[in-house]
Amino acid sequence: GAVVSQHPSRVICKSGTSVKIECRSLDFQATTMFWYRQFPKQSLMLMATSNEGSKATYEQGVEKDKFLINHASLTLSTLTVTSAHPEDSSFYICSATRDYEQYFGPGTRLTVT
Amino acid sequence: QKEVEQDPGPLSVPEGAIVSLNCTYSNSAFQYFMWYRQYSRKGPELLMYTYSSGNKEDGRFTAQVDKSSKYISLFIRDSQPSDSATYLCAMLTGANSKLTFGKGITLSVRP
Repeated sequence: GAVVSQHPSRVICKSGTSVKIECRSLDFQATTMFWYRQFPKQSLMLMATSNEGSKATYEQGVEKDKFLINHASLTLSTLTVTSAHPEDSSFYICSATRDYEQYFGPGTRLTVT
Repeated sequence: QKEVEQDPGPLSVPEGAIVSLNCTYSNSAFQYFMWYRQYSRKGPELLMYTYSSGNKEDGRFTAQVDKSSKYISLFIRDSQPSDSATYLCAMLTGANSKLTFGKGITLSVRP
């Protein structure tokens, strides 16, 4: 199967700082990547769709100025949580598409203190 | 009505049991059907992917799609404690489109 990595796997930051999470497709090129967040015991919530070379499309209710997404290449998308607050603490997961299949990264646990 | 409904859980079975997980959907535009397995604190892992109505088998797992009834299932034979996880059904309308997930069901296989 295809492999998607995320970095870091875990991050703790102070309130008001920004955090960048990287998502990479290691063995395939992905024109489209997705970013999700997941709260404990809940399903994944789609935040945004990231297309290489164009602006991300955000889901309703997701602040695009707070969650900055950059899809700079066919193997890399980044999510930057700006001015993080404790309520942003969550599990962030990316996925990358190969044909009709979507492969997920291992997730990044963000804790904002 | 939600686009994808998944049988609620949790589900607990003894080791060796056959497990049946089910989802229904209302959007006829869904053409591609997936089952993901997610262990605690990990990203979802693609287990099975199907397109057409019928059965698809992979080892102990069988995915079944009935487009006329808008119903999909995942069967796990000879279930193992390592199968204990949350299982999510998911659907696509086309390539690079958004996945629509069911809520997920937590399966526990007792030794």
